[in-house]
Amino acid sequence: GDSVTQMEGPVTLSEEAFLTINCTYTATGYPSLFWYVQYPGEGLQLLLKATKADDKGSNKGFEATYRKETTSFHLEKGSVQVSDSAVYFCARIEYGNKLVFGAGTILRVKS
Amino acid sequence: DAGVTQSPTHLIKTRGQHVTLRCSPISGHKSVSWYQQVLGQGPQFIFQYYEKEERGRGNFPDRFSARQFPNYSSELNVNALLLGDSALYLCASSSRDESTDTQYFGPGTRLTVL
Repeated sequence: GDSVTQMEGPVTLSEEAFLTINCTYTATGYPSLFWYVQYPGEGLQLLLKATKADDKGSNKGFEATYRKETTSFHLEKGSVQVSDSAVYFCARIEYGNKLVFGAGTILRVKS
Repeated sequence: DAGVTQSPTHLIKTRGQHVTLRCSPISGHKSVSWYQQVLGQGPQFIFQYYEKEERGRGNFPDRFSARQFPNYSSELNVNALLLGDSALYLCASSSRDESTDTQYFGPGTRLTVL
């Protein structure tokens, strides 16, 4: 069935390192795509989204580009901070506005 | 403006009991969805309500039910609790029922079943 696949974590980086978290999806058509972030003990916060192919979502230094050719929506940040340590979820829309999430990728940034 | 609010924050129940979780959407939002997040996994869709009608249901047993009230708040009910129902239950609201709409999540209710 339709799904979202994320790279396994945890991903451990030093402060100011470059971040990439891979996300691929399977779907019929071109669904809206999202990245959510979850800090310890909290709910999900929307990080960025893209609603059509070739769109680039960006927020707080994070970026992701909707690539229909490779059915991917990889998350990138040029210079991570300790405060970016969290769990990152890639998601796509199914029918209506049901979200289908990946398993999540733990990011740990050390100073 | 207040975000999505959920109550209670934490809940401990025993097997076989019943639980009711509550959610208030962002003011003006008419769509509410419920998700279950088991530790270490991504959230799984349970229900979506829009304008007080059920618009979608995930792969959950009939022990799970929900409703949406005229003020667009929502309740999730779970009967005959099992140990496997222990999870973080997340509520999300959006302004409409469109695939491009952003869903905003509440902080969740942590349910522990003993």
